[in-house]
Amino acid sequence: QSALTQPASVSGSPGQSITISCTGTSSDVGRYNLVSWYQQHPGKVPKVMTYEVSKRPSGVSNRFSASKSGNTASLTISGLQAEDEADYYCCSYAGGTIVFGGGTKLTVL
Amino acid sequence: EVQLVQSGAEVKKPGESLRISCKGSGYSFTSYWITWVRQMPGKRLEWMGTIDPRDSYTNYSPSFQGHVTISADKSISSAYLQWSSLKASDTAMYYCARHSGPLVTLPLDYWGQGTLVTVPS
Repeated sequence: QSALTQPASVSGSPGQSITISCTGTSSDVGRYNLVSWYQQHPGKVPKVMTYEVSKRPSGVSNRFSASKSGNTASLTISGLQAEDEADYYCCSYAGGTIVFGGGTKLTVL
Repeated sequence: EVQLVQSGAEVKKPGESLRISCKGSGYSFTSYWITWVRQMPGKRLEWMGTIDPRDSYTNYSPSFQGHVTISADKSISSAYLQWSSLKASDTAMYYCARHSGPLVTLPLDYWGQGTLVTVPS
């Protein structure tokens, strides 16, 4: 079961917007609208930021938005803030199993 | 308040057995599936498997099938991750996490604090 493909790192300045991509296959990301994104600060527990492609749990800032096209999902963070600096993981249902992405380190310059 | 509280850090020798636990509170334990996630030092999250606490139906990642056992005891609202023979490569942080309902397709909305397992080579 291969990990979903994410860029190793992205960066942006405060106030800017960034997008993190997550590429899977027609067996996972492309087949199901069941992609979620998790934020993990260093030494902390992961936190769900979006689920079912574009839904946001209550309490998550609307600066976080997500979408999907074909086999690629994306997480966009607008109005970057210092507190957004963290690792981000995409996650997809894959027909009875779950697969995570390789993770992307977001640096706020 | 929903909480998943995991057992403490462990240091074990290669070949030893181990069981770590995850106790749920503040919600109906049998109404939400539990998943175990591995994170090796400095590495990504990896799905290990998921259990339905109602009947202990378990689904394993092919990468972990046969290497670990996931179980649950609904009478005490606890899930477990077990090894019969640890290896140095099992050194990692292990998280339990709750799906937001009784389906593996639902997101992981609450996480335990993690259990660090160290197996020196």
